[in-house]
Amino acid sequence: AQSVTQLDSHVSVSEGTPVLLRCNYSSSYSPSLFWYVQHPNKGLQLLLKYTSAATLVKGINGFEAEFKKSETSFHLTKPSAHMSDAAEYFCVVTPISNFGNEKLTFGTGTRLTIIP
Amino acid sequence: GAVVSQHPSRVICKSGTSVKIECRSLDFQATTMFWYRQFPKQSLMLMATSNEGSKATYEQGVEKDKFLINHASLTLSTLTVTSAHPEDSSFYICSASTGWDDEQYFGPGTRLTVT
Repeated sequence: AQSVTQLDSHVSVSEGTPVLLRCNYSSSYSPSLFWYVQHPNKGLQLLLKYTSAATLVKGINGFEAEFKKSETSFHLTKPSAHMSDAAEYFCVVTPISNFGNEKLTFGTGTRLTIIP
Repeated sequence: GAVVSQHPSRVICKSGTSVKIECRSLDFQATTMFWYRQFPKQSLMLMATSNEGSKATYEQGVEKDKFLINHASLTLSTLTVTSAHPEDSSFYICSASTGWDDEQYFGPGTRLTVT
C-alpha cells in the first residue's frame, strides 16, 4: 500500500522569496516519487522525479526536492519564487517501475500563491 | 517527445446523452493508458487502467458500464460517459506510458459539463 500526505493545502509566498512545499509518503516497497504542477484548467507537467538514484533531485524551472528515507519526506523547494510559479502542485508516489505502468497515488495538492 | 493529446478539450452535453473523450499518444506507442477524474480544487482520482487489446481494469467504486473505456490501438484510448448526469461533470485527464521509461505522460484534460 502507498499513500501521500501534502501537509499544506495552500502556501503563499512573496515573489523572490523561497518556496517550500511539503510532502510525506508511506510505502510498503521502494518508491518512485514525483512532483507535478498543474496550471488552471491545464494538464499536469512533470517538475522532477526520484527513482532511487541521487537523493537530491533537480527539476525544471529551478525546483528541486530531496528524498529523505528516514523522514519519509520528499519536500519541494525553490530558492526564489516567480509569479509564474503560481499553480497547484501534486506530490505523487508509485512503486518503482521501469515501464511507467504502475498506479500513481496523488497527494491532495498544494495551491501556491505568489504575492507581488 | 512523449506528447499526449485529448479531444475535445471542453464539452457540454445534456443529461441522458453520451459523450466520448479521446486520448492519443502522438509520437509513441502507449502500452498502458490511465484515466483520471478531477473534481474542482481536488486531486486526481484514478478511474481505470487500460492496456491495448484487453479490457480495462477499473478502480473500486467506478462503474464500468457507465464509463466505457476502449483501448483499440497503441495510440488511442477512448472514455465514453454513458447516460451522463450533472454529477458526472468533471475534469477528465488521461495519461500514457511508453513502456521504455518510468514515466507517465499526461494529456491536457477534458472539461465535461453536463446540463
